[in-house]
Amino acid sequence: EAGVAQSPRYKIIEKRQSVAFWCNPISGHATLYWYQQILGQGPKLLIQFQNNGVVDDSQLPKDRFSAERLKGVDSTLKIQPAKLEDSAVYLCASSHGRDSQETQYFGPGTRLLVL
Amino acid sequence: AQSVTQLDSQVPVFEEAPVELRCNYSSSVSVYLFWYVQYPNQGLQLLLKYLSGSTLVKGINGFEAEFNKSQTSFHLRKPSVHISDTAEYFCAVTLSGGYNKLIFGAGTRLAVHP
Repeated sequence: EAGVAQSPRYKIIEKRQSVAFWCNPISGHATLYWYQQILGQGPKLLIQFQNNGVVDDSQLPKDRFSAERLKGVDSTLKIQPAKLEDSAVYLCASSHGRDSQETQYFGPGTRLLVL
Repeated sequence: AQSVTQLDSQVPVFEEAPVELRCNYSSSVSVYLFWYVQYPNQGLQLLLKYLSGSTLVKGINGFEAEFNKSQTSFHLRKPSVHISDTAEYFCAVTLSGGYNKLIFGAGTRLAVHP
């Protein structure tokens, strides 16, 4: 079974530029998550989708971050404009359902550096 | 609100020695507990999880963890570590009966030396 795919793996941009990350979850997984992992910290949930609907985006900085999952499969996370403090690893995860017992499977992440 | 505290940011240990990584949580409601491992430049991989039943949970790669409700702890142990166990380890919780929102600790870096 293929795992969660993410691209690009690395991205360097200057502040005020825009950037987009892509995620393809495990086939058949209805729930998709985006996490932000700042160096030295644990991952923090940014947004959770159930199929193409948003379950939780309470920690998404909506003035600059946006995410979509239009067809209930792939998802993109966008930052516009980027700030220095957005430098982090952005992890995508998926699970079969949204029950809190279910295991989340993580992709390798996109490492973003904002200069 | 729920929170997770990993008491050690770094744990150095010699190969074949035992190790314990400590995790405490705070929650006013029941939680499920998870340990994930992150190897360099990779995503997180589930080691084990506690949902209910026996408080001693066995996971992959020889790891185990014990849920202690009175101490609100979920410490991870391995009786004999290998060089390949060098990684970052994260403890996390979700609310039982809630939706699947993982709340992570800050992580413990395990460094296994020959």
